Amino acid sequence: EAGVAQSPRYKIIEKRQSVAFWCNPISGHATLYWYQQILGQGPKLLIQFQNNGVVDDSQLPKDRFSAERLKGVDSTLKIQPAKLEDSAVYLCASNTRPGLANLNEQFFGPGTRLTVL
Amino acid sequence: AQRVTQPEKLLSVFKGAPVELKCNYSYSGSPELFWYVQYSRQRLQLLLRHISRESIKGFTADLNKGETSFHLKKPFAQEEDSAMYYCALANAGGTSYGKLTFGQGTILTVHP
Repeated sequence: EAGVAQSPRYKIIEKRQSVAFWCNPISGHATLYWYQQILGQGPKLLIQFQNNGVVDDSQLPKDRFSAERLKGVDSTLKIQPAKLEDSAVYLCASNTRPGLANLNEQFFGPGTRLTVL
Repeated sequence: AQRVTQPEKLLSVFKGAPVELKCNYSYSGSPELFWYVQYSRQRLQLLLRHISRESIKGFTADLNKGETSFHLKKPFAQEEDSAMYYCALANAGGTSYGKLTFGQGTILTVHP
């Protein structure tokens, strides 16, 4: 099966600019996650969707970050305006539905490496 | 709040030596714990999960609730085991069911 797709793979912007990342989960996966991974740290969850509804966005900096999953498939994560500290790898992951036979395994995309200058 | 701690950022061993990557957690409920691995130029992927009690690529991990640990072990390390390893804990209930909290990661290098 095709894996989780993300684009772009790399992005360099200047602070105060805007940027958007796109994720296409594995077909049939109802749950989609966006993680931020700062260099030297583990991934940190930003937002979790179940179909097109937000389940958890408690760690999303809502003054500058937004995410949507309008049709319950693809998702977009946006940063506006970007700050230097947003430099990180942004990972998208998906799974069928937490708690079922998948035992919570998440499938990750390749990530988007963002550099804010 | 739940937390996962991996005390070693770097771990180096020689091929054939035993290896243990440490993981400690704090969680108020019954934890679901995982080890994820990222090989060079590859995606983050699941290595093993405690609930399955499985051995993958010779690795095992035992959940010790008394010590709140989930250390990853392999008796004889191979060069192809060199990678970044993350311990992760999943929310076992509530609205954020399935949400993963990751440790900081340990870079394992196996020398020939």
